[in-house]
Amino acid sequence: QKEVEQNSGPLSVPEGAIASLNCTYSDRGSQSFFWYRQYSGKSPELIMSIYSNGDKEDGRFTAQLNKASQYVSLLIRDSQPSDSATYLCAVVTGTYKYIFGTGTRLKVLA
Amino acid sequence: EAGVAQSPRYKIIEKRQSVAFWCNPISGHATLYWYQQILGQGPKLLIQFQNNGVVDDSQLPKDRFSAERLKGVDSTLKIQPAKLEDSAVYLCASSLVRVPYEQYFGPGTRLTVT
Repeated sequence: QKEVEQNSGPLSVPEGAIASLNCTYSDRGSQSFFWYRQYSGKSPELIMSIYSNGDKEDGRFTAQLNKASQYVSLLIRDSQPSDSATYLCAVVTGTYKYIFGTGTRLKVLA
Repeated sequence: EAGVAQSPRYKIIEKRQSVAFWCNPISGHATLYWYQQILGQGPKLLIQFQNNGVVDDSQLPKDRFSAERLKGVDSTLKIQPAKLEDSAVYLCASSLVRVPYEQYFGPGTRLTVT
């Protein structure tokens, strides 16, 4: 089992729809969770962080964490073509290792 | 606030040659990371420094890769000798040593080994 797993996609959604991206992790001691966005040819940029169970909202983005089920998700409301990118889930494990998933490629269709 | 600086941005070398990359983290960030990102994959951690000490280098191919952070600020990553499979983007990131551990990335160095 990979330490951090994501569906590679591509996930295609129409403009204006909600995009739902999921990530599961294996270390129950994991404490910090992040979503990064990476445009083609660019570096990852942090868009959301979440540390406790529940939802955290920031503009059109909502991160959801469920530690019991060991998953973290990212919802993007009112998806725009400019949201088309690869979304990377990252986890800080119980031994303070920073692990990235392989990313989910999102395509927002105009 | 200045971001993470990296140089060079691009490098083309022949196999068996050596190459070095430089990174300067965000001021005040004690933790520095070097990642290798192959096209279509997520970043793979090569080495993590906290100040000038190594926290994790378990995935660093030590027979050919080396890294140092002598004064706890900037860092260099070296490959000697390079192989074709080393062609990738090398990303440097930095973070505070404590929660929230949010990482900020530099622009990366695209290495092509021919």
